[in-house]
Amino acid sequence: EVQLVESGGGLVKPGGSLRLSCAASGFTFRTYTMNWVRQVPGKGLEWVSSITSGSGYIYYADSVKGRFTISRDNANNSLYLQMTGLRGEDSALYYCSRDRNMDSWGPGTLVTVS
Amino acid sequence: QAVLTQPSSLSASPGASASLTCTLRSDISVDSYRIYWYQQKPGSPPQYLLRYKSDSDKQQGSGVPSRFSGSKDASANAGILVISGLQSEDEADYYCMIWHDSATMVFGGGTKVTVL
Repeated sequence: EVQLVESGGGLVKPGGSLRLSCAASGFTFRTYTMNWVRQVPGKGLEWVSSITSGSGYIYYADSVKGRFTISRDNANNSLYLQMTGLRGEDSALYYCSRDRNMDSWGPGTLVTVS
Repeated sequence: QAVLTQPSSLSASPGASASLTCTLRSDISVDSYRIYWYQQKPGSPPQYLLRYKSDSDKQQGSGVPSRFSGSKDASANAGILVISGLQSEDEADYYCMIWHDSATMVFGGGTKVTVL
């Protein structure tokens, strides 16, 4: 069974930093593109960043470019999102998802910037 | 103008068919894109339903009932999610998505489906 579990969210002050993690299991992690998507509670989905299987291609939304860094550790089946220069508008539930289809999602981890 | 536009809400009766539209900005052609669809129920993450580009390029999500299907209306420059035989459990938010320029992902604003 595919499982994705995010962690690392919390309360941080504006300008602060946070590192999110996503632990993957139940599939061959190293062969999949992985993504971060965020959602302000009660609002729509916003794509944040994607990374290909071997980290050869990395993409960011304009809203986070230069502040967030996506990375992965294929040996440990983990995906990361390093967030710096956090702003109030970054407050959201952050999901990791698998593949360009985004066919599996974790339950999310909540980031509050205040 | 948003890249993808979805109506904010839709209501239909149990057993009816519901067609959810995802209209692409006029400068990009629906013919060029796979349209992805997701269902999200309150308190849960989104779930992948299907993707549709053409009848020869489509994929149903694992375990997704066949009463969920995709299509396109080229004249409206829109992707369409059809839910046949609407059930109360289909009440949810539905989002469309495309990979724009192959490098960035864009979501529509979502449609809230109510089963009356």
